[in-house]
Amino acid sequence: EAGVAQSPRYKIIEKRQSVAFWCNPISGHATLYWYQQILGQGPKLLIQFQNNGVVDDSQLPKDRFSAERLKGVDSTLKIQPAKLEDSAVYLCASSLAASGYSYEQYFGPGTRLTVT
Amino acid sequence: AQSVTQPDIHITVSEGASLELRCNYSYGATPYLFWYVQSPGQGLQLLLKYFSGDTLVQGIKGFEAEFKRSQSSFNLRKPSVHWSDAAEYFCAVGDAGNNRKLIWGLGTSLAVNP
Repeated sequence: EAGVAQSPRYKIIEKRQSVAFWCNPISGHATLYWYQQILGQGPKLLIQFQNNGVVDDSQLPKDRFSAERLKGVDSTLKIQPAKLEDSAVYLCASSLAASGYSYEQYFGPGTRLTVT
Repeated sequence: AQSVTQPDIHITVSEGASLELRCNYSYGATPYLFWYVQSPGQGLQLLLKYFSGDTLVQGIKGFEAEFKRSQSSFNLRKPSVHWSDAAEYFCAVGDAGNNRKLIWGLGTSLAVNP
């Protein structure tokens, strides 16, 4: 079974530029998560999708971050414009469902973003 | 509010020694508990989970964890550490009342001396 795929793995941009990250979850997984992980910290949930609907985006800085999951499969996270404090690893995860006991989340390798 | 505390920011052990990483949680109901491991430059991998039943759970890579409700703890253990176990370890609790969101600890960094 293929895991969660993310691209690119690394990205360096200047502040005020825009950047987009792509995620393809495990086949059949209805729930998709985007996390931001700053060095030395635990993951911070940015947004959670159930199929193509948003379940939780309470910690997404909506003035600069956006995310979509149009067909309920893969997803894109965008930052525009980027700030220095956005330097972090962006992790995508998926789980079978957001109901029942399916709490298990499976993570992709992440995208390391450096904003200069 | 629900929270997870990992009291040890960094731990160093010798290869072959035993390991225990501490995790304490604050949660009103029966918790769903997880341990994840993150190797350098990698994503997070699930080591083990506790939902119900036997309070001693076995995971991958020779790890185990014990749920102790009276102490609100879910400590991770391994009898003999290998150099490849050097990584960041995260404890998390599933929040049943909040779309099963995972509440994460800040992590414990494990170094292994040869």
